[in-house]
Amino acid sequence: GAVVSQHPSWVICKSGTSVKIECRSLDFQATTMFWYRQFPKQSLMLMATSNEGSKATYEQGVEKDKFLINHASLTLSTLTVTSAHPEDSSFYICSGRDRSSYEQYFGPGTRLTVT
Amino acid sequence: AQSVAQPEDQVNVAEGNPLTVKCTYSVSGNPYLFWYVQYPNRGLQFLLKYITGDNLVKGSYGFEAEFNKSQTSFHLKKPSALVSDSALYFCAVRVRPVSGGYNKLIFGAGTRLAVHP
Repeated sequence: GAVVSQHPSWVICKSGTSVKIECRSLDFQATTMFWYRQFPKQSLMLMATSNEGSKATYEQGVEKDKFLINHASLTLSTLTVTSAHPEDSSFYICSGRDRSSYEQYFGPGTRLTVT
Repeated sequence: AQSVAQPEDQVNVAEGNPLTVKCTYSVSGNPYLFWYVQYPNRGLQFLLKYITGDNLVKGSYGFEAEFNKSQTSFHLKKPSALVSDSALYFCAVRVRPVSGGYNKLIFGAGTRLAVHP
């Protein structure tokens, strides 16, 4: 099946710093990428959707200036958490939609801990 | 509002027994329904989906789900549970926002399945 990778798999950063998370589709081209956030023992909440080469569409309540999303190519999307605070600590999962099959594949997630 | 409900936070089953994880949905139009499984600190793995056709859908690892339009349900089932099936299970529905834009998945809250030896 199609593979989506995320890097890093976990990261610890200090409050006030910025963290970048990469999401790559390894064997398919993803015209659309989705970024989700998951709190412990809770469901996935969609943060934003992006198309390659376009600005991301953010869900209501998600600060676009805090969670910067770049979808520069059909195989790479990045999420940058700017000026991170402890409340941003969470599990972030990306997902790519295959341009051929329209199926959606999920990455393994990145655990962010802000101290 | 379009939504997915998983009424059980946790389901406990003895190994070898059949299991059911419940899911109901509320969407306009014909639903595209999915089941995913998540192991600790991992992303989601696709199990199965219903788009159209036969109401009984067979998926990975021996799982199946039955689409019931009248009850707006899409329960996940397996005839004989394994300890290795213990994980977090999410039901999801693909929707197109009323305001337009991309199709997206709406997830249920998740059900933790615990299979005991």
